[in-house]
Amino acid sequence: RKEVEQDPGPFNVPEGATVAFNCTYSNSASQSFFWYRQDCRKEPKLLMSVYSSGNEDGRFTAQLNRASQYISLLIRDSKLSDSATYLCVVAPDTGRRALTFGSGTRLQVQP
Amino acid sequence: GAGVSQSPSNKVTEKGKDVELRCDPISGHTALYWYRQSLGQGLEFLIYFQGNSAPDKSGLPSDRFSAERTGGSVSTLTIQRTQQEDSAVYLCASLDGTSSNEQFFGPGTRLTVL
Repeated sequence: RKEVEQDPGPFNVPEGATVAFNCTYSNSASQSFFWYRQDCRKEPKLLMSVYSSGNEDGRFTAQLNRASQYISLLIRDSKLSDSATYLCVVAPDTGRRALTFGSGTRLQVQP
Repeated sequence: GAGVSQSPSNKVTEKGKDVELRCDPISGHTALYWYRQSLGQGLEFLIYFQGNSAPDKSGLPSDRFSAERTGGSVSTLTIQRTQQEDSAVYLCASLDGTSSNEQFFGPGTRLTVL
């Protein structure tokens, strides 16, 4: 079983739609959680950290459920520019801080 | 300021040759990571440097892979006797280590082994 699992998609949605991505992780000792965004043939960039209480950044909302070892990302009012691959990322060891990446969920927002 | 830079951006080599990939982290960042990403896959951790501590090499896939970080700054990832399965994008990231958990990635080196 992979340490971090995501639905690869693609999710094809119209502009203005709300879309949600889910992610599960296997290491219950994981300490830090993130969503990264990766555009085609580009490096990953941090989208947002995920906190236990849930957090929101504009149109983006992230949730963490430690009991179920589950992370989610909700995107409201999708824009064409949101088209990218969204990587669920877990840091199992705060000392090393090396990240464990999911394979990503591809989002395509259509006009 | 300048971000993480990597060179070369693309490298094509023949099976069996050695290659060196270079990473210049953000100035002042104490931690440096190497990852690789195969086509359509997530990132795979390779090695981690933190200050003057011994590197965490637990992600290196074989003894053909090695890395150095000189002077706490520039890092070189060396792959000896390259194989076709080594073809991937090799990404370097650096981390402030004090005020932020965000890793900043370089643009990567796309390695193709023929």
